[in-house]
Amino acid sequence: QSVLTQPPSVSAAPGQKVTISCSGSSSNIGNNYVSWYQQLPGTAPKLLIYDNNKRPSGIPDRFSGSKSGTSATLGITGLQTGDEADYYCGTWDSSLSALGFGGGTKLTVL
Amino acid sequence: EVQVVESGGGLVQPGGSLRLSCAASGFTFSNYGMNWVRQAPGKGLEWVSYINSGSSTIYYVDSVKGRFTISRDNAKNSLYLQMNSLRAEDTAVYYCARSPRAAAGTSFDYWGQGTLVTVSS
Repeated sequence: QSVLTQPPSVSAAPGQKVTISCSGSSSNIGNNYVSWYQQLPGTAPKLLIYDNNKRPSGIPDRFSGSKSGTSATLGITGLQTGDEADYYCGTWDSSLSALGFGGGTKLTVL
Repeated sequence: EVQVVESGGGLVQPGGSLRLSCAASGFTFSNYGMNWVRQAPGKGLEWVSYINSGSSTIYYVDSVKGRFTISRDNAKNSLYLQMNSLRAEDTAVYYCARSPRAAAGTSFDYWGQGTLVTVSS
């Protein structure tokens, strides 16, 4: 069972915007940085967002991250069929001294 | 170009052992913390272990404590995971991933392609 909670799936039409939530607690999201990963089918995960809202070089600004209290959100605008993937949030849990991932959210671009 | 390449996966019987390796290139390996992350078939990501640049700080997920050992050889630019007393639930693709900053629990900015470990009789 994951320490972070994500919706199992979200969907939206091409060109639209979608948000993916990640809920935790004070021992993880509340006091640590959140990162987000995209995993396309059959490939390794790829870093999309780090330190709550920063994008690595090469990640388009269609992807954004935010954090408020014990929850974080990944936003994707201008959806493309190539965005269909599983998305994971991750953060350190200070009580467990372990890193936790959310269960993952499958994005479908209809 | 930063690269991390895992090897050493395979089929092993329950109770057996396996040693995974991760070869790093394209960056100063000795300056970075490293991690193992696994993904069971059809399941989500699970962080397994972290080791800092100097091997002085190590963390494990509870489910592998006492059975798995992470280590590194900075002279060989290599990361390892010694897995003992393997169980069926350890079956997964194991990824090597770099931590871009010194502290544990930061993001993972580079990932390998993964190596499959199957525990079955």
